[in-house]
Amino acid sequence: KAGVTQTPRYLIKTRGQQVTLSCSPISGHRSVSWYQQTPGQGLQFLFEYFSETQRNKGNFPGRFSGRQFSNSRSEMNVSTLELGDSALYLCASSLASSQNEQFFGPGTRLTVL
Amino acid sequence: KNEVEQSPQNLTAQEGEFITINCSYSVGISALHWLQQHPGGGIVSLFMLSSGKKKHGRLIATINIQEKHSSLHITASHPRDSAVYICAVRTGAQKLVFGQGTRLTINP
Repeated sequence: KAGVTQTPRYLIKTRGQQVTLSCSPISGHRSVSWYQQTPGQGLQFLFEYFSETQRNKGNFPGRFSGRQFSNSRSEMNVSTLELGDSALYLCASSLASSQNEQFFGPGTRLTVL
Repeated sequence: KNEVEQSPQNLTAQEGEFITINCSYSVGISALHWLQQHPGGGIVSLFMLSSGKKKHGRLIATINIQEKHSSLHITASHPRDSAVYICAVRTGAQKLVFGQGTRLTINP
């Protein structure tokens, strides 16, 4: 079974731009969660999607949004990028709920200049 | 104060030593996860537990719900165990809250 894939793996943007990151879960997994990892704050929960619905959301501004498609693939979008958005963005998939074991993707490293 | 505290933050040991990493939390939880992150960023889920003890190979994880404390043990440590180990708890709001991680280095 293929693992969780994320694209792109690396991205460089400038302040004020927007970015879209993609996550393809393991086949059969319906829950996708997104996390941000920075040296200062560590890992933080962004949101969780299940069956195309946002089921849970972390404490991030509205510039961070996401969606899930009928094939369980998920995208997250960050608008009006700030320098502080530079981070490793990880997605994780699980069978039916993030309460099940989560399988993490390799991450997308975003650099905002 | 962080809701999840790990200790130590950094740990260096010699190959073969018995390793213990601790995690304390201050909120009600439904489950606790131990994760391993290697250089380059990839994260692997090691354990998910809500009570008692789990063992996988040389790794053992325990949790004491009353004391709000969990430990991850590595027996017969090996240089390939060098990684960052992260404790995460699932809160009543079903969100994962992460500790800051423990950077483990095992020298040959």
